[in-house]
Amino acid sequence: EAGVVQSPRYKIIEKKQPVAFWCNPISGHNTLYWYLQNLGQGPELLIRYENEEAVDDSQLPKDRFSAERLKGVDSTLKIQPAELGDSAVYLCASSVAGAPSDEQFFGPGTRLTVL
Amino acid sequence: AQSVTQPDIHITVSEGASLELRCNYSYGATPYLFWYVQSPGQGLQLLLKYFSGDTLVQGIKGFEAEFKRSQSSFNLRKPSVHWSDAAEYFCAVGAGQTGANNLFFGTGTRLTVIP
Repeated sequence: EAGVVQSPRYKIIEKKQPVAFWCNPISGHNTLYWYLQNLGQGPELLIRYENEEAVDDSQLPKDRFSAERLKGVDSTLKIQPAELGDSAVYLCASSVAGAPSDEQFFGPGTRLTVL
Repeated sequence: AQSVTQPDIHITVSEGASLELRCNYSYGATPYLFWYVQSPGQGLQLLLKYFSGDTLVQGIKGFEAEFKRSQSSFNLRKPSVHWSDAAEYFCAVGAGQTGANNLFFGTGTRLTVIP
């Protein structure tokens, strides 16, 4: 069974440019998460989807970040415009549902470098 | 508010030696506790989890963890470390209200294994 797929794996952009990350969760997983992992830190939740509904986006900086999961399957996270401080690893995870007992499976992440 | 503290940023052990990684949490209710491992360029993999019941939890790859409510701790242990265990280890607490499965991660402990 394929795991969580993310692309691209690496992205280098100039500041003020837009960037998008794509995530395809494990088949059958209804809950999808986007996390931000800064260097030397643990992941921090940005947004959580239950199917196509964003049920927790309280930590998403909405002035420049947006996300969508239109058909309740794959998801895109966008930054526009990117700032130097956005350099980090963006992790996507999925779980069968949103219960605490449901294991979250993580993708390999997208490492973003903003110059 | 929930939080996780991993007091050791970096630990070095010899191959074959025992290992203990510390984790302290802060959470008002009964916590859902997790240990994840992250190898370079890889996503996070769940080692073990605690929800209730037996306070000594067995996980994959020979790891175990013990939940101690009186100390607000959930330390990870392994009796004999292998070179392949070198990685970053994250403790996390789940905020389980209303069925949510938001994870709050510690800052991680980097494990180096010397031959």
